[in-house]
Amino acid sequence: GQNIDQPTEMTATEGAIVQINCTYQTSGFNGLFWYQQHAGEAPTFLSYNVLDGLEEKGRFSSFLSRSKGYSYLLLKELQMKDSASYLCALNSGGYQKVTFGTGTKLQVIP
Amino acid sequence: DAGVTQSPTHLIKTRGQQVTLRCSPISGHKSVSWYQQVLGQGPQFIFQYYEKEERGRGNFPDRFSARQFPNYSSELNVNALLLGDSALYLCASSTGRNNQPQHFGDGTRLSIL
Repeated sequence: GQNIDQPTEMTATEGAIVQINCTYQTSGFNGLFWYQQHAGEAPTFLSYNVLDGLEEKGRFSSFLSRSKGYSYLLLKELQMKDSASYLCALNSGGYQKVTFGTGTKLQVIP
Repeated sequence: DAGVTQSPTHLIKTRGQQVTLRCSPISGHKSVSWYQQVLGQGPQFIFQYYEKEERGRGNFPDRFSARQFPNYSSELNVNALLLGDSALYLCASSTGRNNQPQHFGDGTRLSIL
């Protein structure tokens, strides 16, 4: 099976940098997703890491270490609109089975 | 291009009733997955369909069933509704290849009274 751990809540200041960690245990691994979900809305895709290392997309970057079962999402130059839940999700199994963590609720304060 | 569309947006049912939720994937996507999300939790995997065949099933009772049509749209059926079935039901589509992301619809919010 799969197990995913991420902090429940985080608070950060507008303009700052925040790192949201995700650790996982899995018997099979195809890749790791990060999704953003605003309250009452559907998740939106942020990043997908298959290989170890850092991938950067504008203000958002995602890092993966498969040997450590660890990933993080880095958000730079925080804006108020970044207040949302951030979901770490494992892609595993022979088909496209995606297992989500419980999400990290990020609050950006002025 | 249209994204993933789900209908209805909201639905209110009573215990014991049956419900059918619908999903149209992004054009060109052959894979549809269904998730249940209760408040404060991440989405829980229910089913994945690819090319009209069930490819995966999560830990949900047999009251939950689904199918995919030749045009790749999909329906999720839930029988004998329980209060605990109240949740946001999300549909996600993708090409089906493992390295491609799933794109979510806005969901159907189901309330059981």
